[in-house]
Amino acid sequence: QKEVEQDPGPLSVPEGAIVSLNCTYSNSAFQYFMWYRQYSRKGPELLMYTYSSGNKEDGRFTAQVDKSSKYISLFIRDSQPSDSATYLCAMSGNNQGGKLIFGQGTELSVKP
Amino acid sequence: DTEVTQTPKHLVMGMTNKKSLKCEQHMGHRAMYWYKQKAKKPPELMFVYSYEKLSINESVPSRFSPECPNSSLLNLHLHALQPEDSALYLCASSQRRLANTGELFFGEGSRLTVL
Repeated sequence: QKEVEQDPGPLSVPEGAIVSLNCTYSNSAFQYFMWYRQYSRKGPELLMYTYSSGNKEDGRFTAQVDKSSKYISLFIRDSQPSDSATYLCAMSGNNQGGKLIFGQGTELSVKP
Repeated sequence: DTEVTQTPKHLVMGMTNKKSLKCEQHMGHRAMYWYKQKAKKPPELMFVYSYEKLSINESVPSRFSPECPNSSLLNLHLHALQPEDSALYLCASSQRRLANTGELFFGEGSRLTVL
């Protein structure tokens, strides 16, 4: 079993839809939870960062962490074609020695 | 625009060639990283430098040789590569040492093709 599981998709939605992206994990020591967005042929960019449990909102993006269920989510409201990209969840903890554990990445396509 | 700059953007090399990938950041970050990414896969950590010292080597073959001349620069020297080494090579940096918080800033990558 992988430490972090993420459905690779692809996921295709119409413009304006609410998108839900999810990851599950097995290591209870993870404390830091990130979502990176990667456009085709570009490097990943940090989209959302959450420490421990709870919600964090930034514009159209909301990140949720449920440590009791070992489950994290990224919601995108009013999705736009410019949101079409691969979304990678990533996690770390104080005992990871500086390593990020990435999910597989979910490929999202928002159709106009 | 990313604040981590990688050159070249594309590189084609033969298995006997020697080439180098370069990375530069001017954000004052003290940790720098090399990742390798294959198509439709997540980035895989190769090396971590913290305060210009190599702190993590993820059992990378010796045909990849990292170098950190100063806190702003990171190189990856390539020699006798194999076709399976063809990938996107990503450089990243972080403010905090070893980036336990995961706040990495990535460059756009160098796309390497080994013939």
